[in-house]
Amino acid sequence: GAVVSQHPSWVICKSGTSVKIECRSLDFQATTMFWYRQFPKQSLMLMATSNEGSKATYEQGVEKDKFLINHASLTLSTLTVTSAHPEDSSFYICSAGDATEQYFGPGTRLTVT
Amino acid sequence: GENVEQHPSTLSVQEGDSAVIKCTYSDSASNYFPWYKQELGKRPQLIIDIRSNVGEKKDQRIAVTLNKTAKHFSLHITETQPEDSAVYFCAAALIQGAQKLVFGQGTRLTINP
Repeated sequence: GAVVSQHPSWVICKSGTSVKIECRSLDFQATTMFWYRQFPKQSLMLMATSNEGSKATYEQGVEKDKFLINHASLTLSTLTVTSAHPEDSSFYICSAGDATEQYFGPGTRLTVT
Repeated sequence: GENVEQHPSTLSVQEGDSAVIKCTYSDSASNYFPWYKQELGKRPQLIIDIRSNVGEKKDQRIAVTLNKTAKHFSLHITETQPEDSAVYFCAAALIQGAQKLVFGQGTRLTINP
């Protein structure tokens, strides 16, 4: 199957700083990618749909000015958590799909101290 | 929008017995229903999926059934093994691939040896 990578796999940052997470489709082009957030022992919650060459579409309740998404190429989407706070600590997972299924990245564990 | 309910939240079965997890969805337009297995700290892995033009699909010890009229679908695991222990998520989407998935709450399955 197709491969989606994420970087970094884990990051620790101080409250008030910004963190950028990269999501790459390694062997296929993805015009659409998705960003999910998963808190401990909870389900995956869709944050936003990342569209190559256009603005991201955010789910209700997700602050677009706090979670900046850029999809500048067909193989790369980035999620920047701005002015991170401890409540932003979570597991962030991206996905990208082709004609058959959606493929998930390995996730990024963000801890804000 | 779509809403997916999943039950039970936890399930414990003896090794060799069967396990059944059920999901209901709200949007009759949804036509793709994947099931994912997620181990702690890892990405969700697709284990089986079904499209709305099919009522049942089987892959070795795993099967999924879909009742479009009632808007519910179920995961069946037979001859359970310790390595089946994980969290399982159902999901629903309008179209497979580059369409956003709405996840159920998850089921923590424990196989007792």
